[in-house]
Amino acid sequence: AQSVTQLDSQVPVFEEAPVELRCNYSSSVSVYLFWYVQYPNQGLQLLLKYLSGSTLVKGINGFEAEFNKSQTSFHLRKPSVHISDTAEYFCAVMRPWGGKLIFGQGTELSVKP
Amino acid sequence: NAGVTQTPKFQVLKTGQSMTLQCAQDMNHEYMSWYRQDPGMGLRLIHYSVGAGITDQGEVPNGYNVSRSTTEDFPLRLLSAAPSQTSVYFCASSSQRDRENTEAFFGQGTRLTVV
Repeated sequence: AQSVTQLDSQVPVFEEAPVELRCNYSSSVSVYLFWYVQYPNQGLQLLLKYLSGSTLVKGINGFEAEFNKSQTSFHLRKPSVHISDTAEYFCAVMRPWGGKLIFGQGTELSVKP
Repeated sequence: NAGVTQTPKFQVLKTGQSMTLQCAQDMNHEYMSWYRQDPGMGLRLIHYSVGAGITDQGEVPNGYNVSRSTTEDFPLRLLSAAPSQTSVYFCASSSQRDRENTEAFFGQGTRLTVV
């Protein structure tokens, strides 16, 4: 079975500051890793994903994440956040040929002016 | 190309009523799933399907039924609604035929209130 832990439920940050949202996972098999973003009262949008290959992946809106197999982590980073980045962020895993996502509890990112 | 379409967007039910949440996708994806989202708990898997005629339970299946008679449709049935089923429900579909394009696509959600 797989599980995902997002280590921070809320992250307040000032505009133009860097941010890191932390995600650890547990799995006995190789998994694909995803970060999704949910803006208020909207559905989920894919930010980025790691399937294989380079451990540093870049996504939309200037976000990037690094897959660390030894630490079973997939932390999300952005060097300079904007007010518009205020949203909830979800880390998730999927087994190859599994089709279902297992989500973390979510991290609310609040960007203040 | 509509993607994943969920209906209705909002619903209020009385305790004990039944209803069906509809989900349809037009991407010919083999995988479809239902999740519920509750504050502080992320999205939890209710049921999923790996293809037409095949379904399986997720983390929180009690009180819900699903069927998948076609590739496109994956309805979620609440048999006898309870206040604990008040939540936001999301349907998703995905495919892994082309690994590089593996990702889940989500509907816009159904906000359900059971009174």
